[in-house]
Amino acid sequence: AQKVTQAQTEISVVEKEDVTLDCVYETRDTTYYLFWYKQPPSGELVFLIRRNSFDEQNEISGRYSWNFQKSTSSFNFTITASQVVDSAVYFCALSEEGNAGNNRKLIWGLGTSLAVNP
Amino acid sequence: DSGVTQTPKHLITATGQRVTLRCSPRSGDLSVYWYQQSLDQGLQFLIHYYNGEERAKGNILERFSAQQFPDLHSELNLSSLELGDSALYFCASSVKGNSPLHFGNGTRLTVT
Repeated sequence: AQKVTQAQTEISVVEKEDVTLDCVYETRDTTYYLFWYKQPPSGELVFLIRRNSFDEQNEISGRYSWNFQKSTSSFNFTITASQVVDSAVYFCALSEEGNAGNNRKLIWGLGTSLAVNP
Repeated sequence: DSGVTQTPKHLITATGQRVTLRCSPRSGDLSVYWYQQSLDQGLQFLIHYYNGEERAKGNILERFSAQQFPDLHSELNLSSLELGDSALYFCASSVKGNSPLHFGNGTRLTVT
């Protein structure tokens, strides 16, 4: 069965520390997509990244980087030199492929609450 | 701003009542998804519409229903409300099946 596990419920760091948020997934699909979303205290869900199952290249976007490893079914997210504004709940999600390609539902992890303290 | 509009932002109602949540997707997006976020269950997929047609159902209760109108806006109807239905309800839209979802700010429903 498809499943996303974010083992870290809460993480607290001091500003400027690097922090890695773990995501482990399970799927029987050979084609799938992985996502990270951020939910700041204001409540909205903000898309951060999408990665398809055929692209294992790591990605860097500013202070954010993602490490996708199919061998360990992991898609970890690292924030370098964390800032107070990074405080949020971060969700990892897995996309199933439907028959028509238009059917999709995300399987979400329970999220990791990151607190960055000054 | 994601471009997805949800109304109302907050809703407080009593058990047994019925409410309607509204969502306007981003311009050009044909897909609308509804999600429920509660503290104990996390984010749960409810239902997906594409260009007016229901495409996928998730953990949606029979007391809940949804539709997508010709102008692509969508409504989620929740009836016979129970205390456990208190949650944040998100609408999201996307251009096509595997495009990233863009979420609205959610409707916080409190059932008393």
